[in-house]
Amino acid sequence: DAKTTQPNSMESNEEEPVHLPCNHSTISGTDYIHWYRQLPSQGPEYVIHGLTSNVNNRMASLAIAEDRKSSTLILHRATLRDAAVYYCIPRRVSGNTPLVFGKGTRLSVIA
Amino acid sequence: NAGVTQTPKFRILKIGQSMTLQCTQDMNHNYMYWYRQDPGMGLKLIYYSVGAGITDKGEVPNGYNVSRSTTEDFPLRLELAAPSQTSVYFCASRVKTRPAPDTQYFGPGTRLTVL
Repeated sequence: DAKTTQPNSMESNEEEPVHLPCNHSTISGTDYIHWYRQLPSQGPEYVIHGLTSNVNNRMASLAIAEDRKSSTLILHRATLRDAAVYYCIPRRVSGNTPLVFGKGTRLSVIA
Repeated sequence: NAGVTQTPKFRILKIGQSMTLQCTQDMNHNYMYWYRQDPGMGLKLIYYSVGAGITDKGEVPNGYNVSRSTTEDFPLRLELAAPSQTSVYFCASRVKTRPAPDTQYFGPGTRLTVL
C-alpha cells in the first residue's frame, strides 16, 4: 500500500472551510483514495473516496491532484462536530487486504 | 440495523487473566476486522476474516486469537493478558464489493486496561 503524509494537526474556526491535505506520492494507478474520520471516543467512520475525479458527498468534497500524488479533503463549513482525526488511506482496488491507518490529522474547530 | 456491536465497553484485567471481546454485526458482511488503538496512535490490525471459517493475521496478532464460526460473530480472545495489551479495541466489518467503496463500519470500541 502507498505511504501517506498528513499534517499532525490543524485548526479551523467554526463555519469556515477546511482543507486537509494528504501526500501519497507512491500511489499506484488503481488505488482508490479513501478518507475516514474518528470522532472523540468513537470508532472511525467513512467520509469519502475517489480515484481520479473530484468527488462530493453530503459530508465533504475530495479534490485529487492530476498526478494523483496528493489529495485534499474539503469541509465546506466546519462545525464543532467535525473536530476529529482524519485519515487518508490509499487502497488497492483488487486486494482483500485491510485498510491501513496512519496517525492522521487531528482537526480542532474553534467556536 | 444495529450495525457493529461490541461488548464489553470497558474492562480491567489482571496480568495473566484471559477474556473474550465480543463483536457482532447484523449487516451480513463477509469481512470482519479487529484493530487496536494505543493512545495518540492510529489503528493497527490484529486479525481479520473474509468469511465464516476463514481468518488471517494482521500486523500485530501476537497474544490474540480469533474464530469465525458464523457470518455475524467475530470474537477476539486474549489468553494471557499483559500490560502491553492495554488499548482500545475496535471491531469492523464490510461487505465484499469491487472495486470500491471499501466502506468499513466500526463498532464503538472496548477499552481494556491490564494491570
